Formats: sequence, C-alpha cells, structure tokens
Amino acid sequence: ILNVEQSPQSLHVQEGDSTNFTCSFPSSNFYALHWYRWETAKSPEALFVMTLNGDEKKKGRISATLNTKEGYSYLYIKGSQPEDSATYLCAFDGTASKLTFGTGTRLQVTL
Amino acid sequence: NAGVTQTPKFRVLKTGQSMTLLCAQDMNHEYMYWYRQDPGMGLRLIHYSVGEGTTAKGEVPDGYNVSRLKKQNFLLGLESAAPSQTSVYFCASRRTSGTYNEQFFGPGTRLTVL
Repeated sequence: ILNVEQSPQSLHVQEGDSTNFTCSFPSSNFYALHWYRWETAKSPEALFVMTLNGDEKKKGRISATLNTKEGYSYLYIKGSQPEDSATYLCAFDGTASKLTFGTGTRLQVTL
Repeated sequence: NAGVTQTPKFRVLKTGQSMTLLCAQDMNHEYMYWYRQDPGMGLRLIHYSVGEGTTAKGEVPDGYNVSRLKKQNFLLGLESAAPSQTSVYFCASRRTSGTYNEQFFGPGTRLTVL
C-alpha cells in the first residue's frame, strides 16, 4: 500500500490569511500528482494535475508546486476567503490507471 | 451532460441484507472506480475497472463485488451487509485519451448498516 500523507490534518485561519499545506508521496514510480477540492456535502473536484519536477500550477488565488525527487507538493492559498473552506486532497498517480489519496487537509476560513 | 450519477443517495440496511449501488457516467470514460470514505481515512479504493467487462481489486475489496457489463455503468454489490460497511460511497470515472487525466466524482451514496 502506497503511503500518501498530508499535513496538517486541519487548519483554521482568518479571512485574508495566506496558508499552505503539504502532500508527501513516494518518489519512485511517479506518474502524476493530483490535487482535489472537496466541499462539505459535495463530491471532490479536480484542482490541478502536476507531472514534472518543478511544476507550478495556479488557479486564481490557489497555486501548487511539485518536487518529485524528494516526493512532496505544496498547495498555497493567498488571501483566504470563507468560500475556500473545504478539504483539500492530494492523490498519487503511479500507474496512470488508479490514484492513491491522502487523508486530506481540512481548511476552515472564518470572518 | 449529467456527468457521474449514483443511485441511491441514501440507504439503510439491516445486517445480512444485500444491495447494489449503481454508478452511471455519460462521458464515455473507460476507467471507473468505487471508493469508500470514512472519517479520518480519506478515500479508499474498493474496486475499479479499466474497461467494459473488466474489474480489479483495490485497497479494501473484501465484502464487495462489482460488475461492468456496460461501459457507462459500474455496479457495486454488498452480498451480506455488515455494520463495518457503514460509509459514504463515491463513484468516479476517468477518460484515457490524452494523459494525466483527472477523475470525475459522483455525488456519493450514504449507507448505514444497522
């Protein structure tokens, strides 16, 4: 069983704060690293698919970086808003047919 | 496009009862997946399929069976439900054309086994 770890488990920030969290994954047999956003009572939605060492992706105030040699990815949120409250999942893609998910970082943004 | 749909949305079973969860996708995706989501455990893969007529075991397959008779449908069966199978079940699908494709998830089925 592959070990995909996310930290912290949960995070509580104030509106306007910037924040980041980590996903660590096996550095061998790497194919891609996925980030998903999962709002309560909804289903996960894809944010980024990252493939190359040094990759940086950005969508609005959310960005992500990738280090495949050391096996980690960071997700950054700049100027957090209450609508950013969600669980952020990363998933390791080593075979191109199935993903191994981390347990997620639960972000709560308050006014 | 409806995307990925799941039937039913909620279900309560008694221990020992059987049921089938239906997942349907209208995106012509080759790959389909069944996950369970439990508190503190994230998404764990139960079974998956890489094409019509094929299935494979995931991380937690015991107590479940699956079938993919049609490309657009992926069924998850519980032959004899146990309280340990109380969970939220998510189906997902993924295309194979191109590379590095994300999964699209259904809305989930909340199952309680008493």
